[in-house]
This record gives sequence, C-alpha cells and structure tokens, in this order.
Amino acid sequence: EDQVTQSPEALRLQEGESSSLNCSYTVSGLRGLFWYRQDPGKGPEFLFTLYSAGEEKEKERLKATLTKKESFLHITAPKPEDSATYLCAVYRRNTDKLIFGTGTRLQVFP
Amino acid sequence: DAGVIQSPRHEVTEMGQEVTLRCKPISGHNSLFWYRQTMMRGLELLIYFNNNVPIDDSGMPEDRFSAKMPNASFSTLKIQPSEPRDSAVYFCASSWTYTQYFGPGTRLTVL
Repeated sequence: EDQVTQSPEALRLQEGESSSLNCSYTVSGLRGLFWYRQDPGKGPEFLFTLYSAGEEKEKERLKATLTKKESFLHITAPKPEDSATYLCAVYRRNTDKLIFGTGTRLQVFP
Repeated sequence: DAGVIQSPRHEVTEMGQEVTLRCKPISGHNSLFWYRQTMMRGLELLIYFNNNVPIDDSGMPEDRFSAKMPNASFSTLKIQPSEPRDSAVYFCASSWTYTQYFGPGTRLTVL
C-alpha cells in the first residue's frame, strides 16, 4: 500500500537554528514527490517537485532533496515567517492522485 | 492571475441541511480535485475530474456526497443531508500537469 510518513510531527526552532524535515515514502513507481507549505486558515502552497533520486531544489532558505526512500526539506537559518505546516506528497505512476503525509508543524521563535 | 476560487469561505449549517460548496479552477487547467482536511485524517482526496469528467470518486465517503463539473470553469461538491462528522475544511485544487494548486478552502461546520 502506498504510504507517506513525515517526521517530526512538530518542530520548534530558534531563529537561525537550521534543521531538516523528513518525508519517507513507500510507493510503487514514483512519478514525483511534492512539498507544500500550509499556513493556518489557508490552502497548501506549492514549493517544490522532485522527480528522481539525487535531485535537489532550492528556494530562499529551503532546500529539498530526494533519495529512493525519502526526501528531506532542509531549512537554513530559519526566520519566524517560515513558521507553517510543511506537507509532503507523492504521485504514483499510472495515477493522477497525490498521496499526502500528515505534515510537520514548524514554529520558529525570534 | 487569479488562483483557485472557492465559495463560501465559511459555512455553518444544521444537521440534515443540504450544503453546496463551489470552486472555480485556474483558467486553462484541465484537472480538478476535491479534498477534505481534518486534524485526525489530514488531507484526503474525495474525487477528481479530468476534462470535466469524473475519473475517480473512490474517496467520496458516502452517497450523501456528490460532485459535478458542468464546464471547465466551475465545480460543485454537495452534501445532502449533512451530518456533524462532515465538519472539516474542504479544498479544491486544479492542475495542468502534475502540480496541483489549491484554493483557500471552505470551512464547514455542521451543528
């Protein structure tokens, strides 16, 4: 069965304290792995798509990486405005459906 | 460029009433998805359309739920009759390729 597991469930960081979020997946035939950011009361906002092991994408303080079993979202020198829930999702081949993890709730304190 | 538009943003209704949620996808997108988000179950796909045709409704919880897409710029999700356990945030998303873009959601409360 296709599965996406994110860890930790919640993460509290001091401003400037770098860390990583994990997304491990089990899917038969990965078509793509997606990272979204969700702020309270809003819909998920697209961040990155990764298609193959070894691929990396960067955006400001965020960097996403992909292996054959997991993806990491690295946050370098975070700021309070990076506080949000980060969601990981996978697309399986021969389907148009995204399977979402339950997210990591990140809080960055000044 | 307008993103996905959903209405209403908040809906409070009483058990047994009919509820209709509305979605306008991004112009040019050919796939539309309806999701439900709760604290307990996270984001769940209810149904999706491709070129206005329902492709997979296996996530629709019961016959009380129905969805339509009469044209490329409009879709509805209807719950009749509504129950308290339907309380959740309902999201609509649209896509052209693989990347789905989400609307702001409708927070539904069934009393």
